[in-house]
Amino acid sequence: AQSVTQLDSHVSVSEGTPVLLRCNYSSSYSPSLFWYVQHPNKGLQLLLKYTSAATLVKGINGFEAEFKKSETSFHLTKPSAHMSDAAEYFCVVRSGGSYIPTFGRGTSLIVHP
Amino acid sequence: DTGVSQNPRHKITKRGQNVTFRCDPISEHNRLYWYRQTLGQGPEFLTYFQNEAQLEKSRLLSDRFSAERPKGSFSTLEIQRTEQGDSAMYLCASSQGGEETQYFGPGTRLLVL
Repeated sequence: AQSVTQLDSHVSVSEGTPVLLRCNYSSSYSPSLFWYVQHPNKGLQLLLKYTSAATLVKGINGFEAEFKKSETSFHLTKPSAHMSDAAEYFCVVRSGGSYIPTFGRGTSLIVHP
Repeated sequence: DTGVSQNPRHKITKRGQNVTFRCDPISEHNRLYWYRQTLGQGPEFLTYFQNEAQLEKSRLLSDRFSAERPKGSFSTLEIQRTEQGDSAMYLCASSQGGEETQYFGPGTRLLVL
């Protein structure tokens, strides 16, 4: 069984300040973890993924996430928010041996000028 | 590589009518997935194909829903006798072999009146 919990439905930051989007997961087997971003009227785009290699994963557009097994977390961070980062972000878990991912409910990132 | 495409992008229909959506995956991707996304939720898995074989179906996929991938390339998702609860965004994604990353299309937004 697998599940993912995004702890905040909305996160609001000012441009230039750090971003933290929180994600906790549950998985019976060694998980793969992903973050996707969805801009309005656009398809889901992969930001980064963890697949049992380095626990600190760097993605596109300056985002990174750290896999912490002891905390079952995979939080997404960015040092400095940009207006173009405003979008919906989804944390995704996939248990080893399965091709079926489970998406979180999403976190809406709002960036103020 | 033109990415995953979906047609139509929008569909408005009356309750009780049948609708069919098409997905064209990235060429040579052997896996194809269908998801449904309702407002404020993350995508929910419906079904997936490896080549032309439909390998797994979610319990969300009632008997009014059917999906095909006859030649292992494009796929269709048909909903018969649509209900207002079927209103959602229907997303298609594809992936290649052992690659875990799924590439998403822009989706088809269905509104059932």
